[in-house]
Formats: sequence, C-alpha cells, structure tokens
Amino acid sequence: DIQMTQSPSSLSASVGDRVTITCRASQGISNYLAWFQQKPGKAPKSLIYAASSLQSGVPSKFSGSGSGTDFTLTISSLQPEDFATYFCQQYNSDTVTFGQGTKLEIK
Amino acid sequence: EVQLVESGGGLVQPGGSLRLSCAASGFTFSDHYMDWVRQAPGKGLEWVGRIRNEASHYTTQYAASVKGRFTISRDESKNSVYLQMKSLKTEDTAVYYCARVTRYTYDYWGQGTLVTVSS
Repeated sequence: DIQMTQSPSSLSASVGDRVTITCRASQGISNYLAWFQQKPGKAPKSLIYAASSLQSGVPSKFSGSGSGTDFTLTISSLQPEDFATYFCQQYNSDTVTFGQGTKLEIK
Repeated sequence: EVQLVESGGGLVQPGGSLRLSCAASGFTFSDHYMDWVRQAPGKGLEWVGRIRNEASHYTTQYAASVKGRFTISRDESKNSVYLQMKSLKTEDTAVYYCARVTRYTYDYWGQGTLVTVSS
C-alpha cells in the first residue's frame, strides 16, 4: 500500500495567520490527492481533490498544490472555524490511504 | 441536497456480526461508487472498502484488515449501500462513515455510526 505521511502532526497558529501542511506519498501518485477537514465529533468535510481543485462551496482561502510525491495544503487568513484536523488522502491506487492527520490549534 | 445517513451501529461482542446501512438521497445513486471509511476513537481515518456501480459490474474492494470478514453490497431500488461485518474484533471498534465517490475521491460523507466491539 502507498503510505501517506503528513507534517507536522500538530500546529499552533493565530487568527489571521497563513499555514501550510505537507503530505508526502511513499511513491508517485500523480495528482490523485485529496484533502479533508474534520472537526471534533463531526464527519470529515471534503476540501480539495486532484491536488489543487476546490470542492464546490469551499472558500478560496484553501489551496492545494503538488504532484508526484509531495503536496501541500495552504490555509490563508485563519479564522476560528478553521481550527480542526486535516487529512490528506491518496487515491492513485485501488486501495485508498490517508495521512495520519494534522491538528491545527489556536495559539 | 445530497444526504448520506448511516444506521445500524451499536454494541456487539467479539466474534459477532453487525450490518450497517447507508441511505442516500439527493443524487443519482446509480452513477456513483460508494465507500466505507472508519475511524477508531481518537485515531485517523481508515479506508474499509468500495463498491462500484452497475457500469463497473458492482465490483468490490476491501482493505486487508477486513477482507474475508466484511462484505459491501448495494440496493439500487433503495438507494442504499450496506456493510455486513462478521467475526468482529475489538480493533473494529470505530465510527463508520459512508462516502460518495466522485472523481475517484469523496465529495460527501455521512454523519457516521458508532460500532463498539466489546464483551
């Protein structure tokens, strides 16, 4: 299976900051990479697919980039509702795998 | 409005069985593959398996951790997908989500249903 490694595992930031989360695949996955946001006790929410395409209704403050093995999720101008856990997912292979998650906390 | 509503979770003893359901509405169910994803308490997301649509012959795929114990099926007449779980282990304790597959990844998730495997 393709392993997905996110960094950092946790991140403290302030309202108004811009943050970047990284996801690395154990082998090339082209652009078959998605990002999800999850708040405590809630289902994940889909943010980005194909590494850089926003899901419908997702604000443009979220952006994704990368191809091959290295990907980033950037969130600009953090607001209180953005503090959550973020997961990457590869869907290049028949077996989908997720990163371990990055918890974004308020500083 | 797209909705996915899971049901069927609960407490089951190790070695027992349980069947989860996911009722879909607000879209053309037959157009989409459907996945199950689980999340153990305090842990990350783990893909469980997939069922494709009629155009892809309803083929299924499973994670190695559940293969041979879990079965995914779907009923087009009820716009529902099911997860039959057998020989349950304590490590199967998790919230189980169904998710709609679009462009090979997910755009909508259900709210989840909790399965607890414990004696």
